[in-house]
Amino acid sequence: QKEVEQNSGPLSVPEGAIASLNCTYSDRGSQSFFWYRQYSGKSPELIMSIYSNGDKEDGRFTAQLNKASQYVSLLIRDSQPSDSATYLCAVNSGGGADGLTFGKGTHLIIQP
Amino acid sequence: DVKVTQSSRYLVKRTGEKVFLECVQDMDHENMFWYRQDPGLGLRLIYFSYDVKMKEKGDIPEGYSVSREKKERFSLILESASTNQTSMYLCASSPTRAGALHFGNGTRLTVT
Repeated sequence: QKEVEQNSGPLSVPEGAIASLNCTYSDRGSQSFFWYRQYSGKSPELIMSIYSNGDKEDGRFTAQLNKASQYVSLLIRDSQPSDSATYLCAVNSGGGADGLTFGKGTHLIIQP
Repeated sequence: DVKVTQSSRYLVKRTGEKVFLECVQDMDHENMFWYRQDPGLGLRLIYFSYDVKMKEKGDIPEGYSVSREKKERFSLILESASTNQTSMYLCASSPTRAGALHFGNGTRLTVT
């Protein structure tokens, strides 16, 4: 069973601080990694993708991947109240597997 | 921008009814997916399709079927709705089988 694990939270972060969200996955053959943001009552929205070890930055967001540790993280700099949402980590296991396996999400709250 | 449109935002059906959930995408994507999302269980893959008239079971296909007669349209069918199928249903499309998913707005189905 391929698993993607996230701390459900809530994770509470002051406005302007760095929010750090973490995800581990069980399948060592995983090849594609994604972060989605989901506001309450809305569908998931892709915010970052990462495919190789290291960091990938896009605006205030940085995704970090460490395949040896089977660990992927998302950093949000200068956190804003509008960043309050549930963040879903998603993984594709490769090897011809279809679709993504999702973690259950981390609920992030940015305190003004 | 990719647009994935689900025909109904909210739906209420009775136990035993046959239910059709429709999804259309406008980006000529080969791959389409149906997920359901439940509190505490996250997103789970029901069925996917990588070509017209092709379908593959996901992790929880029991009680569901699908139809893909045209590339842009992927329908989820609940043959005989049951109360445990009350959920948020999310359709998604992707240009590759292992790539990022683009989600529709979701259909919140209640079976009474």
